[in-house]
Amino acid sequence: GAVVSQHPSRVICKSGTSVKIECRSLDFQATTMFWYRQFPKQSLMLMATSNEGSKATYEQGVEKDKFLINHASLTLSTLTVTSAHPEDSSFYICSAPTGTRDNEQFFGPGTRLTVL
Amino acid sequence: AQSVTQLDSHVSVSEGTPVLLRCNYSSSYSPSLFWYVQHPNKGLQLLLKYTSAATLVKGINGFEAEFKKSETSFHLTKPSAHMSDAAEYFCVVTHYSGNTPLVFGKGTRLSVIA
Repeated sequence: GAVVSQHPSRVICKSGTSVKIECRSLDFQATTMFWYRQFPKQSLMLMATSNEGSKATYEQGVEKDKFLINHASLTLSTLTVTSAHPEDSSFYICSAPTGTRDNEQFFGPGTRLTVL
Repeated sequence: AQSVTQLDSHVSVSEGTPVLLRCNYSSSYSPSLFWYVQHPNKGLQLLLKYTSAATLVKGINGFEAEFKKSETSFHLTKPSAHMSDAAEYFCVVTHYSGNTPLVFGKGTRLSVIA
């Protein structure tokens, strides 16, 4: 079946630096991808919808200037956490719709971000 | 608007006994409903999905869920728990036939006691 990959799987960075996370659809094209954030012992919360060739749509409360999303091709969306701070430490997960009518989505394995 | 309520944040069962994880949903549209499992520090794995076909859905690892429109419920069951079932379970709703994001419940942590 279709696979969505994320890179890196784990990243540790210093406060104030920027971190880029990649989400790739490996054997299918995805005009739309979704980015979620999961804090420890909490559920997944949608951050933004990434649209190929156009601007991302951000959920209320998510700073678009801090979480930069680029969906430059039909198989790649990137999330850049700019000027990361310890409170940005979280598990970031992307998903891509399979294209089936039931709106099933494939999830990436997630990226664990730790900001020191 | 769509929402999901998982009625129990934590469920504890003995190995070999039945599992019931409860989920109620709200949706303005015809919903697609999913159950995902997440083991510690891992990604999400799809257990099963309801997509307007049969109301009783069979998934992987012996899990089942029944869609009850009148009760707006989609409870997850398994006849006999295994130690490996211990994990976090998420009930998810989305708009059937839409390129829309998923709405997650808060999750239910399942503990299995030997």
